[in-house]
Amino acid sequence: EPEVTQTPSHQVTQMGQEVILRCVPISNHLYFYWYRQILGQKVEFLVSFYNNEISEKSEIFDDQFSVERPDGSNFTLKIRSTKLEDSAMYFCASSRQDEQYFGPGTRLTVT
Amino acid sequence: AQSVTQPDIHITVSEGASLELRCNYSYGATPYLFWYVQSPGQGLQLLLKYFSGDTLVQGIKGFEAEFKRSQSSFNLRKPSVHWSDAAEYFCAVPSVNDYKLSFGAGTTVTVRA
Repeated sequence: EPEVTQTPSHQVTQMGQEVILRCVPISNHLYFYWYRQILGQKVEFLVSFYNNEISEKSEIFDDQFSVERPDGSNFTLKIRSTKLEDSAMYFCASSRQDEQYFGPGTRLTVT
Repeated sequence: AQSVTQPDIHITVSEGASLELRCNYSYGATPYLFWYVQSPGQGLQLLLKYFSGDTLVQGIKGFEAEFKRSQSSFNLRKPSVHWSDAAEYFCAVPSVNDYKLSFGAGTTVTVRA
């Protein structure tokens, strides 16, 4: 059964450093998403991506964040200058329409 | 904007007992609704979904949910809980435009022997 994969599973970085979180969505899916979950809190939408451009982004997704689909298979989330409050679990998801499939997540720890 | 509310933060249930998790939605039209489960250290797995039609929806792992428009609810049920059902459960509703999901706060289920 096809699945969404994410790498790395855990990333530790220092405040101010850039991080890139990687995702491989399911191959015939058209919509791609990033969500995050701060420890003990609800899952929050960050950004959606369709047809090679951002279709919607939340207030959280400020200029420090960017997404890219560089090669038709990977879907990346970049945080340019990490802050302590960026520490969270980041989930990638993909869908053909409304049923989203989630990856296992990347736990980002900013120290 | 569409949203869901999960009133119960934590539920403890005995193994073999029934389980019901509450979800209330706020939505102008007939919503699409989802239930996801997150086991410790794992990602989100879709349990079931409601789009239209039959208001009683069957999902994986023996779960079912009932859509009740009159109560704006989409409660998740399981007749007999197994220890492996200990997890966090999220109700979610997609947006109209691009399917982004809005999640409830989640309900943590603890199963006692």
